Amino acid sequence: GEDVEQSLFLSVREGDSSVINCTYTDSSSTYLYWYKQEPGAGLQLLTYIFSNMDMKQDQRLTVLLNKKDKHLSLRIADTQTGDSAIYFCAEKTGRRALTFGSGTRLQVQP
Amino acid sequence: EAEVAQSPRYKITEKSQAVAFWCDPISGHATLYWYRQILGQGPELLVQFQDESVVDDSQLPKDRFSAERLKGVDSTLKIQPAELGDSAMYLCASSFQGSEQYFGPGTRLTVT
Repeated sequence: GEDVEQSLFLSVREGDSSVINCTYTDSSSTYLYWYKQEPGAGLQLLTYIFSNMDMKQDQRLTVLLNKKDKHLSLRIADTQTGDSAIYFCAEKTGRRALTFGSGTRLQVQP
Repeated sequence: EAEVAQSPRYKITEKSQAVAFWCDPISGHATLYWYRQILGQGPELLVQFQDESVVDDSQLPKDRFSAERLKGVDSTLKIQPAELGDSAMYLCASSFQGSEQYFGPGTRLTVT
């Protein structure tokens, strides 16, 4: 079946860039997503990319997609303490629901 | 800004009791999803509706879980009887044309 893998933890200093990585196995994925979850809260959609794109930029967020290697990354420029959260990568194929990774906890040190 | 509403936000119940969660999607969103998120993991789909019809309930434990969306708008997820292993966050999401899914705040269930 489909699988989405993420590293568990990332620590950066405030002002630095953060790069969160994700790999997936389903070559027929049509959309790939990044969600942010703060403690005790639901998931906030940050951005998503269509599978025929290589890159998408939205303010401080840059998504890179390497479809050949099935690798997705999220870069957060000028990381702030408010960016501390768990970040989930997810993929979607056709009309199916999302398949999520286990999340990467981002800790931003002041 | 339109949001997905869920209630209750928190629920504590004893095992073998019945529990129900409610979700009101963003107005006009035909697709509604219920996910379960166990602590430390990503959400996993329980059931997907398109209007009032179930599209995917392959991961729903049907011996104890049921879901309905009778008028194709709001939805209820029920567990009867609850078991200790059902303790989790239950998340509802909705989408308009399928590409963007928006999540509600979730219901945190604790079974004692």
